[in-house]
Amino acid sequence: QVQLQQSGAELAKPGTSVKLSCKASGYTFTSYYIYWVKQRPGQGLEWIGYIYPGNGGTYYSEKFKGKATFTADTSSSTAYMLLGSLTPEDSAYYFCARGPPGYNYVMDAWGQGASVTVSS
Amino acid sequence: DIQMTQSPASLSASLGETVTIQCRASEDIYSGLAWYQQKPGKSPQLLIYGASSLQDGVPSRFSGSGSGTQYSLKISSMQTEDEGVYFCQQGLKYPYTFGAGTKLELK
Repeated sequence: QVQLQQSGAELAKPGTSVKLSCKASGYTFTSYYIYWVKQRPGQGLEWIGYIYPGNGGTYYSEKFKGKATFTADTSSSTAYMLLGSLTPEDSAYYFCARGPPGYNYVMDAWGQGASVTVSS
Repeated sequence: DIQMTQSPASLSASLGETVTIQCRASEDIYSGLAWYQQKPGKSPQLLIYGASSLQDGVPSRFSGSGSGTQYSLKISSMQTEDEGVYFCQQGLKYPYTFGAGTKLELK
């Protein structure tokens, strides 16, 4: 079955970076978008952007340009998001999700989420 | 950015009751709308896409409707497992945006 397995919780200091991973299985990795979504505790969902592993194409929400960087390793079916210049406002859960072609805005499978805590 | 406004922010329903959640977009999104359910401590799960298409495996008591700027999600007979937070999301323009969520509880 389709699975997106995310890396574990991160505790980072302000000004540093963290790299989150999202390992896909159960489908053709290069045929679907991988989206990244931010959720602060008790808050709503915020769309960060996507990577299309088939060609490496990316799109970033204006708010996250310079903050997030997406990459994908097709040999291991793993997508990554690098979050840089961390501040306490980056403390949140981060989800990866799969986007099918055709209805490419839809997120039809989600990872379990990864917690990022930024604190000195 | 397209703003998505959900109402109500929270509601409680009895077992078997019909529940309706509304979502309004700040501009016409041409049925580019999805609904998700999120339970505490879990990731969101897709319920509806294309405003009215039921995702595989989702119970048929869930349905979506609407067009233009106004959309709704209906649960025809509230069940215990339907407790959670429901989000709408537009897919017409980048950045894709979500509503603030509707918290549904069992009365």
